[in-house]
Amino acid sequence: NAGVTQTPKFRVLKTGQSMTLLCAQDMNHEYMYWYRQDPGMGLRLIHYSVGEGTTAKGEVPDGYNVSRLKKQNFLLGLESAAPSQTSVYFCASSSTRDTEAFFGQGTRLTVV
Amino acid sequence: RKEVEQDPGPFNVPEGATVAFNCTYSNSASQSFFWYRQDCRKEPKLLMSVYSSGNEDGRFTAQLNRASQYISLLIRDSKLSDSATYLCVVNFRGGSQGNLIFGKGTKLSVKP
Repeated sequence: NAGVTQTPKFRVLKTGQSMTLLCAQDMNHEYMYWYRQDPGMGLRLIHYSVGEGTTAKGEVPDGYNVSRLKKQNFLLGLESAAPSQTSVYFCASSSTRDTEAFFGQGTRLTVV
Repeated sequence: RKEVEQDPGPFNVPEGATVAFNCTYSNSASQSFFWYRQDCRKEPKLLMSVYSSGNEDGRFTAQLNRASQYISLLIRDSKLSDSATYLCVVNFRGGSQGNLIFGKGTKLSVKP
């Protein structure tokens, strides 16, 4: 049972570099989310999608872009990484807006 | 007022103790409520959904008070393996918050 899979699990970037985090789910869920988690801040929503081809901004979208070209995949891009983007990133999915979300294992990103 | 508020703890309890966590939420239109558990350096995982009538799963009991916009989680006969951070989660209708709003979590440490 794969559920939600994130790649990569760890990454170190230099300031100004770009990268894409991939999230894949095999549960046929409509909703997908990207969160970041920082000490003392809890989980904060970056962007989310309510279906294939749709995206919307969350609480902290600046510096990130997303795409949902296929229902099962949700990509998070950092165009020009900054040290403030050092964080743990979690992808999640849910079948509807009212049901529980299932999380990937997280990506630990360090920007130096 | 923050959307979802929890006592951050930490709660340090001996094995066998009963411990209760509380959570308040600000959006009276919220329809879905959950408790998640997050182990250190791991992803959040659903512990249980919270229903209006209250629900129990083994040693865990969740209660919802819509009038007071208050959710609780009771853990009886605490085990060492219960040590984790417990996240209160509420769905949110509208705004830029997406669908699920997470509290910052309450840390529980169960000692021998």
